Amino acid sequence: GAVVSQHPSWVICKSGTSVKIECRSLDFQATTMFWYRQFPKQSLMLMATSNEGSKATYEQGVEKDKFLINHASLTLSTLTVTSAHPEDSSFYICSARESSGRETQYFGPGTRLLVL
Amino acid sequence: DQQVKQNSPSLSVQEGRISILNCDYTNSMFDYFLWYKKYPAEGPTFLISISSIKDKNEDGRFTVFLNKSAKHLSLHIVPSQPGDSAVYFCAASLYNAGNMLTFGGGTRLMVKP
Repeated sequence: GAVVSQHPSWVICKSGTSVKIECRSLDFQATTMFWYRQFPKQSLMLMATSNEGSKATYEQGVEKDKFLINHASLTLSTLTVTSAHPEDSSFYICSARESSGRETQYFGPGTRLLVL
Repeated sequence: DQQVKQNSPSLSVQEGRISILNCDYTNSMFDYFLWYKKYPAEGPTFLISISSIKDKNEDGRFTVFLNKSAKHLSLHIVPSQPGDSAVYFCAASLYNAGNMLTFGGGTRLMVKP
């Protein structure tokens, strides 16, 4: 199956700092990438949809100024958590959908963020 | 309003037996359904999918059944193996909504040796 990578796999930062998470599709082109967040023992919640070359579409309740998304190429999307606070601590997962494909999304391994 | 529900938070099955995971949805416009398997601290792994024009799709030990009239789908794993122990999420998508996935809450499957 298609491979999606995320970097870093985990990060610990101080409150007030910004953290950037990268999502890459390694063996396919992805016009659309998605960013999810998962709290312990809960389902994945879609944060935003990222289309290459255009602005991301954010879900209701997700602050676009806090979670900056950039999808500069067909293989890379980045999520920047700006001025992180302890409540931003979570597991962030990206997924990518092949440009030629349809619904199947392939997920990255996730990034665990801990804000102290 | 939860459009996709997995009403069983957990399921325990003996090795070699069949595991049946269930999923219900409310939006009759969903036209594609997927099952993902997830281990703790890892991203979901795609297992199997089914289009709304079908009622069954099989891939090795995994079979997904779709009952559109009941708005219900199920994942059958036969035979179950200890390595299948994980959290299983069903997801639904709507082509005209950009194919975004709506996930169920997940079911934790435990396969006992």
